[in-house]
Amino acid sequence: TQLLEQSPQFLSIQEGENLTVYCNSSSVFSSLQWYRQEPGEGPVLLVTVVTGGEVKKLKRLTFQFGDARKDSSLHITAAQPGDTGLYLCASHGKLTFGQGTILTVHP
Amino acid sequence: GAGVSQTPSNKVTEKGKYVELRCDPISGHTALYWYRQSLGQGPEFLIYFQGTGAADDSGLPNDRFFAVRPEGSVSTLKIQRTERGDSAVYLCASSLSPLGTDTQYFGPGTRLTVL
Repeated sequence: TQLLEQSPQFLSIQEGENLTVYCNSSSVFSSLQWYRQEPGEGPVLLVTVVTGGEVKKLKRLTFQFGDARKDSSLHITAAQPGDTGLYLCASHGKLTFGQGTILTVHP
Repeated sequence: GAGVSQTPSNKVTEKGKYVELRCDPISGHTALYWYRQSLGQGPEFLIYFQGTGAADDSGLPNDRFFAVRPEGSVSTLKIQRTERGDSAVYLCASSLSPLGTDTQYFGPGTRLTVL
């Protein structure tokens, strides 16, 4: 069973700050997905990364997939209160999720 | 179009009781998944349906848990003799085709509390 570790578990920052969250696996990902989940809602897919070294951008969010496809990062530039939520990485397919990073952005 | 819907949104029951949780997937989605999410954790896979059949039920924790999808659309997750440790949010997701590159769309979940 593939184990995914996310760090940090909690992140509390001020509006306008930058942040990075990490996802590491015990084994190689075939592909990896990042989700965002708000309270009372299900996770919503942000991005899928497939190729080692791949970088994808979604507005202020930048996703990187490690060259060896065992790790990934999500960087948010100039965080806004609307970015608050639980960020989850998951191996694609029969989704195996990490425990998530709870991000709180204070106005 | 409508997304994945789940009912009830909240369910409170007593230890030992039987509960049913319902999932209405997106119309036309052949694949349906159930996950369980405990507080402060990521979702945990329970079972996956392709059409009417359970293609993978390896995540069901024990034989008190059972799920059906008799007509290949709506699914019901059934929990017998509930225990306090079953308290969690139960999430349902659907995708157009199975376990491939298609996106899974999640419902809002059913929050189950076992007293």
